[in-house]
Amino acid sequence: QKEVEQNSGPLSVPEGAIASLNCTYSDRGSQSFFWYRQYSGKSPELIMSIYSNGDKEDGRFTAQLNKASQYVSLLIRDSQPSDSATYLCAVNQFYFGTGTSLTVIP
Amino acid sequence: GAGVSQSPRYKVAKRGQDVALRCDPISGHVSLFWYQQALGQGPEFLTYFQNEAQLDKSGLPSDRFFAERPEGSVSTLKIQRTQQEDSAVYLCASSSGTGVEDTEAFFGQGTRLTVV
Repeated sequence: QKEVEQNSGPLSVPEGAIASLNCTYSDRGSQSFFWYRQYSGKSPELIMSIYSNGDKEDGRFTAQLNKASQYVSLLIRDSQPSDSATYLCAVNQFYFGTGTSLTVIP
Repeated sequence: GAGVSQSPRYKVAKRGQDVALRCDPISGHVSLFWYQQALGQGPEFLTYFQNEAQLDKSGLPSDRFFAERPEGSVSTLKIQRTQQEDSAVYLCASSSGTGVEDTEAFFGQGTRLTVV
């Protein structure tokens, strides 16, 4: 079992819709969780970090963490074509998922 | 500098050649990470430094891989006797935090290594 699991997608949503990205992790003792966005041919760019159970909102992005279920998610509201990218879930700074490819259709 | 800088951006090496990849972290950042990213995959952790101390090298795939950060700033990842399976993008990230569990890391643009 990989440390971090993500649905590789691709996930397609229409412009203006909510995109939901999910991630599970195996180490119950993990304390910090990150979402990165990676455009094709570019390096990962930090979007959100979350450390406590519950929701954390930043603009159009909301990260959700449930440590009991070992689950972390990212919601993107009012999705824009510029949000089309691969989204990487990371646990601590050691373990990354394989990423979910998101396409926002104009 | 304003961000994490890696050089070279691209490197083509003949199989068996040694290569050295450089990372200049954000000024003052204590923590530095190296990752290997294959096409279509997420970054795979290689090694972690806190200042000049290499605290974790569990991700280095073989003893052909070696990393150093002698003065706690610039870091070099060296790969000896390169093999085709070493072809990947090598990413460096740095963070101002001193603990891996409470730190947000910022990535450089990566070095794409192709072994022919």
